[in-house]
Amino acid sequence: SQTIHQWPATLVQPVGSPLSLECTVEGTSNPNLYWYRQAAGRGLQLLFYSVGIGQISSEVPQNLSASRPQDRQFILSSKKLLLSDSGFYLCAWSSLGGGTEAFFGQGTRLTVV
Amino acid sequence: DQQVKQNSPSLSVQEGRISILNCDYTNSMFDYFLWYKKYPAEGPTFLISISSIKDKNEDGRFTVFLNKSAKHLSLHIVPSQPGDSAVYFCAASATSGTYKYIFGTGTRLKVLA
Repeated sequence: SQTIHQWPATLVQPVGSPLSLECTVEGTSNPNLYWYRQAAGRGLQLLFYSVGIGQISSEVPQNLSASRPQDRQFILSSKKLLLSDSGFYLCAWSSLGGGTEAFFGQGTRLTVV
Repeated sequence: DQQVKQNSPSLSVQEGRISILNCDYTNSMFDYFLWYKKYPAEGPTFLISISSIKDKNEDGRFTVFLNKSAKHLSLHIVPSQPGDSAVYFCAASATSGTYKYIFGTGTRLKVLA
């Protein structure tokens, strides 16, 4: 069966520090991969999605970047965190193609102080 | 531009009664719709989906209705149970295209015992 791992679960980082969140998927090949953010009291905002290795689409201009160095690995990064980067970050995957559901990881609570 | 909207931020329902959660979308390219349930500090869990070729899909206590002409979908939960208390997100995607999922802002459902 397919599983998605996302870590760390919680993170407290000072303003101006770098960020790296990692997500891996097991049990499937060629997944579509996604990074979402849920800010306090807000919905799920799509940040990045990828349909293949090295293929990254950015949905909103911001202080973050994403990379997909391997088929089932998706990394969210920042060189210098801002206070506004605080939020709940979620990685998700779906089968290649459309018309199927996306499955989410357990999320990372990031607090920038 | 909010392409998927959930206009009711919260809903309270008595146990055993019907819960109806609503969702509207604006993009006519969307042809696959999903509902997710989310508890605090956890990733969303997939509940039920519907393709635009259908107007109803049922799974146990959960039924999703789609009105394409009105660009509206709803989730019915019958009977509602206290364990259903959570935030519910609707999402939409276009199966011919980028396969990204656009989420609404969520509705917090509280089922009263």
